[in-house]
Amino acid sequence: LAKTTQPISMDSYEGQEVNITCSHNNIATNDYITWYQQFPSQGPRFIIQGYKTKVTNEVASLFIPADRKSSTLSLPRVSLSDTAVYYCLVGEGGSSGAGSYQLTFGKGTKLSVIP
Amino acid sequence: NAGVMQNPRHLVRRRGQEARLRCSPMKGHSHVYWYRQLPEEGLKFMVYLQKENIIDESGMPKERFSAEFPKEGPSILRIQQVVRGDSAAYFCASSLPVSDTQYFGPGTRLTVL
Repeated sequence: LAKTTQPISMDSYEGQEVNITCSHNNIATNDYITWYQQFPSQGPRFIIQGYKTKVTNEVASLFIPADRKSSTLSLPRVSLSDTAVYYCLVGEGGSSGAGSYQLTFGKGTKLSVIP
Repeated sequence: NAGVMQNPRHLVRRRGQEARLRCSPMKGHSHVYWYRQLPEEGLKFMVYLQKENIIDESGMPKERFSAEFPKEGPSILRIQQVVRGDSAAYFCASSLPVSDTQYFGPGTRLTVL
């Protein structure tokens, strides 16, 4: 499984755009990149998943450069309720086909949104 | 459509007692996964089950821990003769086909006195 590296913590003011970058130098051809969000005392919540280029949903955008050795989760105009730990995961996945079901969570990035 | 349900949310046990953690997957999901999270750490995979089958228990400690997912009823993670090191948050997730998105429950926080 590809190892991921992301900042331990980040601070941001309300209303700003936040970009959290994850490094995954050993990503394999079949690997997808998935981001989860976890609030205190809750289980992780799926945010977004991508393979290459850019993916956008109602919550966030995910930017993946051509070499796929890193990815950036972008949260537009954060609010206090976005304060959480954000995990970057890399592994076989996608919505079809066999893949790795053993999600590997690192320590994540603790995002603190300041009023 | 209710999400993944776990109970109890908090469980306190004394050393040597048994802990039973329950997980009801999302409606229509037949794949269940259990993870453990120690304080300030990420989640660690324990076991993957389908109805009446343990598919992969490679992350489960060899002794005292067991899991099941019967044909009827919730999945159960059982810890016998608990020790203080078992204190952690235990999360259950469920999915449709394997490798599809896993949806997590709110977790059970086990405290061993």
